[in-house]
Amino acid sequence: AQTVTQSQPEMSVQEAETVTLSCTYDTSESDYYLFWYKQPPSRQMILVIRQEAYKQQNATENRFSVNFQKAAKSFSLKISDSQLGDAAMYFCAVPLLSRAGNMLTFGGGTRLMVKP
Amino acid sequence: NAGVTQTPKFQVLKTGQSMTLQCAQDMNHEYMSWYRQDPGMGLRLIHYSVGAGITDQGEVPNGYNVSRSTTEDFPLRLLSAAPSQTSVYFCASSHREGANEKLFFGSGTQLSVL
Repeated sequence: AQTVTQSQPEMSVQEAETVTLSCTYDTSESDYYLFWYKQPPSRQMILVIRQEAYKQQNATENRFSVNFQKAAKSFSLKISDSQLGDAAMYFCAVPLLSRAGNMLTFGGGTRLMVKP
Repeated sequence: NAGVTQTPKFQVLKTGQSMTLQCAQDMNHEYMSWYRQDPGMGLRLIHYSVGAGITDQGEVPNGYNVSRSTTEDFPLRLLSAAPSQTSVYFCASSHREGANEKLFFGSGTQLSVL
């Protein structure tokens, strides 16, 4: 079974600085996508970024980028120029089953606090 | 732009009661799923559906039933509520098969079982 581990329950960053959230996973699939979702206090689940496992190039979306190490099964999220609105829970996720399309298994989450 | 609509937003049940959480999407998505999120934890997949008339179990299916009679609706039934089912429940849908499609989530249902 696929597993996702986020080893940092909480992280803190000063506004305008950079922070990296860690994620490791285990999967038997050879071709898959990985996702980072953000969950603010409103409880809404927001897709932050996704990475195709067969692509060498790390994905980037504005201030958000990933460091994807396929051999190590590591998928960290870097947030640059942190803003107060980035404060939220962040979840790493991978597809649960190849036959289940994009049904995901999630890590336990990292709570990010942004200090003004 | 309704997207994925979940009702109710909040519900309190007594142990042993049954109820149905409603989920509807207006995007003609084939895939729909139910997750639960316990305090301080990530989401776990309960059941999912890849199309009308087709459902399957996820990671934590015990105590829940689903059906998919139409493309739009995917209700989740709690057969006999237990305190261990106190959680926030999210319904999600996606456009098509494939691990690259993002999920569209509902706003969640906060369920408390006393």
